[in-house]
Amino acid sequence: NAGVTQTPKFRVLKTGQSMTLLCAQDMNHEYMYWYRQDPGMGLRLIHYSVGEGTTAKGEVPDGYNVSRLKKQNFLLGLESAAPSQTSVYFCASNQQGWRTDTQYFGPGTRLTVL
Amino acid sequence: AQSVTQLGSHVSVSEGALVLLRCNYSSSVPPYLFWYVQYPNQGLQLLLKYTTGATLVKGINGFEAEFKKSETSFHLTKPSAHMSDAAEYFCAVSDQTGANNLFFGTGTRLTVIP
Repeated sequence: NAGVTQTPKFRVLKTGQSMTLLCAQDMNHEYMYWYRQDPGMGLRLIHYSVGEGTTAKGEVPDGYNVSRLKKQNFLLGLESAAPSQTSVYFCASNQQGWRTDTQYFGPGTRLTVL
Repeated sequence: AQSVTQLGSHVSVSEGALVLLRCNYSSSVPPYLFWYVQYPNQGLQLLLKYTTGATLVKGINGFEAEFKKSETSFHLTKPSAHMSDAAEYFCAVSDQTGANNLFFGTGTRLTVIP
């Protein structure tokens, strides 16, 4: 049982490049989330999903797209990376949403956009 | 919208001393409240949460927090600090609009001095 895993762990991009971050969970959770963590800002929700085939916008969705084609995977895409997207990205999952259920976090992906 | 204020971005305590990390929230209705811990290069881990019922909540690793509605506070305490408690701590408050979102504070880095 690996929990929540994220790929890659580190990445450096040039402005305008694209990339996809992969989040995988093996706990059969319905809900999955993508956050970004910036110094002095805490974590902010980018997008989330309440089940396979569904996605919804969080607090800071601009510049990102997501897909949940399989229940266990939640992909975060950057179509044209900008320096403002330099951040640490965390994926999380849980079964019933945050109201009644603990979120389990992955180890993070550190992204630098030059 | 809900917000969370964590007083003190850095807190240092001696090993064996009381740990007190402060969290105040703004919300028009009683929220759900959470404390998460983040060890270096790891994802967030839930310490404890308050939803309803008893206002003194006990969590893992000897931590506890008390929900005080009159003071809109949810401070985290531990009677005796261990070296292993050195980490970053985040307070979070639930989104009362019904969306699946948590609003995180900016974090408090705890240093434990031997």
